[in-house]
Amino acid sequence: SAVISQKPSRDICQRGTSLTIQCQVDSQVTMMFWYRQQPGQSLTLIATANQGSEATYESGFVIDKFPISRPNLTFSTLTVSNMSPEDSSIYLCSSLWGTEAFFGQGTRLTVV
Amino acid sequence: ELKVEQNPLFLSMQEGKNYTIYCNYSTTSDRLYWYRQDPGKSLESLFVLLSNGAVKQEGRLMASLDTKARLSTLHITAAVHDLSATYFCVNDMRFGAGTRLTVKP
Repeated sequence: SAVISQKPSRDICQRGTSLTIQCQVDSQVTMMFWYRQQPGQSLTLIATANQGSEATYESGFVIDKFPISRPNLTFSTLTVSNMSPEDSSIYLCSSLWGTEAFFGQGTRLTVV
Repeated sequence: ELKVEQNPLFLSMQEGKNYTIYCNYSTTSDRLYWYRQDPGKSLESLFVLLSNGAVKQEGRLMASLDTKARLSTLHITAAVHDLSATYFCVNDMRFGAGTRLTVKP
């Protein structure tokens, strides 16, 4: 199995600022996935990140707002840029290990 | 458009009753996951279904996969209050909208 360490676990940020969320996997994984879970909602896939290439963004999400880095096979970051209160959500990363999907513990972001 | 559609979105059951949650997907990936999430908690993996006809059971929950119909089901047998939670199906790493299950005495 794989373990994903995600940080920070929570943060309160001022509007207009940016927050970078980090995910560290204890194994090398090909793809990592970033999600947003708004209150009372399902998880929405933001983008898929492969090492060595640009992330692939889902409809409604753009790189300028959610830049992603994937410098190696065990690490990825998601930045939430120029935040507004509407960005208040839980953000999660995920990866696949064999047939299993593993998730970070999530980052609870509140924008004030 | 790649979709994972779940229904019903809300399900209120009496204890002891049976019910089925349906998950239709449109991608070509036939790997299907079911997760449970309690309010304010992390996702809990329930089942991984990998091939057509796969059936897995754990306690009162049974999941199946029909890749030809692109349909997975999560069947609840003799529901108990502890099963109250939100259940998600996931295909191609995309989540369905979730089924909020409430089991009443």
